[in-house]
Amino acid sequence: QQQVKQSPQSLIVQKGGISIINCAYENTAFDYFPWYQQFPGKGPALLIAIRPDVSEKKEGRFTISFNKSAKQFSLHIMDSQPGDSATYFCAASRAGGGNKLTFGTGTQLKVEL
Amino acid sequence: ETGVTQTPRHLVMGMTNKKSLKCEQHLGHNAMYWYKQSAKKPLELMFVYNFKEQTENNSVPSRFSPECPNSSHLFLHLHTLQPEDSALYLCASSQANGDEQFFGPGTRLTVL
Repeated sequence: QQQVKQSPQSLIVQKGGISIINCAYENTAFDYFPWYQQFPGKGPALLIAIRPDVSEKKEGRFTISFNKSAKQFSLHIMDSQPGDSATYFCAASRAGGGNKLTFGTGTQLKVEL
Repeated sequence: ETGVTQTPRHLVMGMTNKKSLKCEQHLGHNAMYWYKQSAKKPLELMFVYNFKEQTENNSVPSRFSPECPNSSHLFLHLHTLQPEDSALYLCASSQANGDEQFFGPGTRLTVL
């Protein structure tokens, strides 16, 4: 049973556009929701994360929107650049869960010129 | 070396071989993890070590055997693997009570 569902599987966006990736979770005990970015040949790296006490978090061009009642969260990349082309993973974990991250299946983003 | 390093980066092995993957973290962390990454699947957590003690074994087959001699080093010993075990194996580390996990570049494993 997949506890974090991610969509779309792949996404093509024009340079300067907005990239939106969505995730939905089932376990209401989750209280930490990070997004990881992975470039080819590299391991995933933390991009931005949010806790359920806020509905939005922004860091530069990257924003997480969080809807606790719908059990959904999304990543928005504003002014998308070719350098943003990578695979993005959402994840979730719960306090007292032993640092166990449950990942989504990933979204391959390509930003075209 | 900085961050989390993994060796080898690529490994091809037969089903009867025995090999080991090595991970080293230079971040002063005390928790280490092994993940399996397969195409179009979520990263699968395999093992978690906190202060050298195994705290999680996510129903991993016994042909995968982890070893954590100290908080900086983590090994994954492989024997009699199957072709479906071919994947990218990622090591990560974190503070024991921290949220952010730092990943290595992975070992691309191919089992023939």
